[in-house]
Amino acid sequence: EVQLLESGGDVVQPGGSLRLSCAASGFTFDDYTMHWVRQAPGKGLEWVSLISWDGGSTNYAESVRGRFTISRDNSRASLYLEMNSLRTEDTAFYYCAKDSQQYQLLSHFDSWGQGTLVTVSS
Amino acid sequence: SYELTQAPSVSVSPGQTASISCSGDKLGDKYVCWYQQKPGQSPVVVMFDDNKRPSGIPERFSGSNSGNTATLTISGTQAMDEADYYCQAWWDSSTSVVFGGGTRLTVL
Repeated sequence: EVQLLESGGDVVQPGGSLRLSCAASGFTFDDYTMHWVRQAPGKGLEWVSLISWDGGSTNYAESVRGRFTISRDNSRASLYLEMNSLRTEDTAFYYCAKDSQQYQLLSHFDSWGQGTLVTVSS
Repeated sequence: SYELTQAPSVSVSPGQTASISCSGDKLGDKYVCWYQQKPGQSPVVVMFDDNKRPSGIPERFSGSNSGNTATLTISGTQAMDEADYYCQAWWDSSTSVVFGGGTRLTVL
């Protein structure tokens, strides 16, 4: 059974930094692209970033480009999101999600974690 | 950047058919999937590649995609289907993910 467990969410002041982690199990982690998706309270889904199975390709939403960095450690089956220069509008639940196709940059997400809450507030 | 548009809300009576639409430029040329999200839960894919149901998703869920519109259809809608539904589109050269704004399905 695929499991994705996010951690690292916290309350942080504007301008601050935070690192999110996602521990994966139940599948061959280094075969799949992984994503971060966020959802502000009461709002819709917003894709944040992706990283290819080998870490060779990354991409970001314009709203976070230059402030967030996605990375992965395939030896630890873990996904990360380094968030800097945080803004109040970054407040959201952050989900890690697994892409469905092996060795494909992007398709649909077949598994999601439970999410971790990031609150940016003074 | 590519945009997907969904109606904010759809209402349906129990046992009736619910149709949830997603529109975008030449959407029929792209792959569409649908996620269901119930309050306090993570999203779950209920349709992918336009009209394929993942295992465990009831047969009352079906999908189509043509022209500029993709549609998720729920036949014989049940109270348990009440949720937010999001469409997502992707294509062979896409490098970023696009979600629709979501449709809240109310079963009343």
